[in-house]
Amino acid sequence: GQQLNQSPQSMFIQEGEDVSMNCTSSSIFNTWLWYKQDPGEGPVLLIALYKAGELTSNGRLTAQFGITRKDSFLNISASIPSDVGIYFCAGHSGNTGKLIFGQGTTLQVKP
Amino acid sequence: DAGVIQSPRHEVTEMGQEVTLRCKPISGHDYLFWYRQTMMRGLELLIYFNNNVPIDDSGMPEDRFSAKMPNASFSTLKIQPSEPRDSAVYFCASSLTPGELFFGEGSRLTVL
Repeated sequence: GQQLNQSPQSMFIQEGEDVSMNCTSSSIFNTWLWYKQDPGEGPVLLIALYKAGELTSNGRLTAQFGITRKDSFLNISASIPSDVGIYFCAGHSGNTGKLIFGQGTTLQVKP
Repeated sequence: DAGVIQSPRHEVTEMGQEVTLRCKPISGHDYLFWYRQTMMRGLELLIYFNNNVPIDDSGMPEDRFSAKMPNASFSTLKIQPSEPRDSAVYFCASSLTPGELFFGEGSRLTVL
C-alpha cells in the first residue's frame, strides 16, 4: 500500500534556528498536507498544497509540493518554544477519501 | 464554531469489555474518519464515511471493531470484546473535502 517516509524522526534545536523536514513517497499524490500535533490534542492542519511545484507560506512556515508529486518539505524559520510538537506530512491521491500520514517528526526547541 | 467533539476523552476498561467511542463531526462536513494512533504504528486510518455511508473499512483491524454513522451529526466506533492491544488514542476527524481534515481531541483508551 501507499506509504510516506518522513524525516528526520526527531529534532532538538535551539530557539531561533531554522528547521527543515521532508516527506517522500513511492506513489504520486495530488495533494500534500502538513499537520502539527500538540501533546494531548489532535493534529491541526498547517498548510495544504494542491499543485506540483507549489510553494506556500503560512507565517514562519513554508512548504513545497515536489515537482515529481512524490515529495514535499516543510521549513520553519526562526523557531520558538511553541513550535514544539509532532509534525506530520500527509498525502491524498484524489481517487478516494483516504489521507495517508507519515510517521511524524518530533520537534523540541530549547529556549 | 464547535470543532469535532469526541467522547469519552479517556476510558480505562478491562479486557473483554465492550467499548463505545462517540463522535460529533463539524456541521456540514460530508466526510468522517476514524483514526487510531499508537507509538508503534503512528496514525492509521480505520474507516471513513461519505454522506453517512461507509466507503472504506479496510483499516478496521478485525471483526471486533465496528463503526456506524446513523446520521450526519453522529458516529460511533465500537470494540467488542476489547483486548489490551487495542489500547491507543482514537481520533475522529471530519472534512468538507477529503484532504483537509479537522480532528477531535481524541479518546485515549486503555484496556487492562
